Amino acid sequence: NAGVMQNPRHLVRRRGQEARLRCSPMKGHSHVYWYRQLPEEGLKFMVYLQKENIIDESGMPKERFSAEFPKEGPSILRIQQVVRGDSAAYFCASSKIPYEQYFGPGTRLTVT
Amino acid sequence: DAKTTQPTSMDCAEGRAANLPCNHSTISGNEYVYWYRQIHSQGPQYIIHGLKNNETNEMASLIITEDRKSSTLILPHATLRDTAVYYCIVRVDPGGSQGNLIFGKGTKLSVKP
Repeated sequence: NAGVMQNPRHLVRRRGQEARLRCSPMKGHSHVYWYRQLPEEGLKFMVYLQKENIIDESGMPKERFSAEFPKEGPSILRIQQVVRGDSAAYFCASSKIPYEQYFGPGTRLTVT
Repeated sequence: DAKTTQPTSMDCAEGRAANLPCNHSTISGNEYVYWYRQIHSQGPQYIIHGLKNNETNEMASLIITEDRKSSTLILPHATLRDTAVYYCIVRVDPGGSQGNLIFGKGTKLSVKP
């Protein structure tokens, strides 16, 4: 059973470009969570989604950030017009029921 | 979710038991204690969780005090690969929509040869 998959693992974007981060949950998991870890800091919750629904986006910045989890395909975290402060590791987790979350390896975004 | 307090760092000799404490004095009756760890630069890894009884799995044991105000994660025979930041997280059985984990600063465990 494959674990949570994230791609790309490393992403470099120039300021002002868009970043798209993908997360494929574990098989049978319909809950997806996105977290961000700034350098030398702890993980911070961003958004919680179920298939086609955003359940909790209380941790998402109000502008430039959006997330979706369509009926088919991976969950996407989209960052528009990236700035240097967006440089971080972005982790996705999935769960079958809202209990144990299993995390992916993360996407390291670098904004130049 | 209740707040947790953990030591910033701990050392442990390879092969010895690592005992990681966590205080959660404001825990309420329906809150579970979860432990995750994050090995350098990797995604966090679920270890174990419990409500009031002690729990054991292939990775670790979780000892929760009778008043549930504190707990200890025990790695019975620590190896160098157990060097990581360990997070103690308290959260309500989330039957509803509150699914996110709140990570504090955790305890940085260094296992030394």
